[in-house]
Amino acid sequence: QVQLQQSGPGLVKPSQTLSLTCAISGDSVSTNSATFDWVRQSPSRGLEWLGRTYYRSQWYNDYAESVKTRITINPDTSKNQFSLQLNSVTPEDTAVYYCTRSYRWAYDVWGQGTMVTVSS
Amino acid sequence: DIMMTQSPLSLPVTPGEPASISCRSSQSLLHSDGNNYLAWYLQKPGKSPQFLIHLGSNRASGVPDRFSGGGSGTEFTLKISRVEAEDVGVYYCMQALQAPFTFGPGTKVDIK
Repeated sequence: QVQLQQSGPGLVKPSQTLSLTCAISGDSVSTNSATFDWVRQSPSRGLEWLGRTYYRSQWYNDYAESVKTRITINPDTSKNQFSLQLNSVTPEDTAVYYCTRSYRWAYDVWGQGTMVTVSS
Repeated sequence: DIMMTQSPLSLPVTPGEPASISCRSSQSLLHSDGNNYLAWYLQKPGKSPQFLIHLGSNRASGVPDRFSGGGSGTEFTLKISRVEAEDVGVYYCMQALQAPFTFGPGTKVDIK
């Protein structure tokens, strides 16, 4: 049974960096048959895909246009996890952040969610 | 990006009665391989979205058979044959044809 466990702070100051980690059990971040993504949810934007990391003989990343200048998603094979960094945050980045696995054309496993508030 | 819409946005239901939710996409989700790249999720209050259906009509493991997905191209439907109290929450459709995957606005289902 695949599980994703998120960790990271729930409060970030404006202009600083949001950092979250997603630990994977029951699968490998290096698998060739899935991608590992970050999605956020807010009342104003609904469910919004942010980006993904995946391995297909080499590592790839894709990012949403709306955040691509500020976002980094990194795999960590030694800990079997992946991370999200979002720089220069503003109150508009306040949301619940989810890590999720995309397998066979659906997000089949989700982390528990982290409510991140951007406030001084 | 492919835009997704849903109707209704709110659906009061009576336990034991059927329910139906519609989802439309801004472009066809029917691939040349014959599959419709459309998924459905249920988000219960305070929880993460849970995977119900993919490829338009294929139920995820453990999903009760009272849930069924149908449709093709740009119009899709999620049906619940007999609603149970545990089915309340917000239902989302999502297109998985092309990146970025995009979600509908959600349909809130609650008990009358």
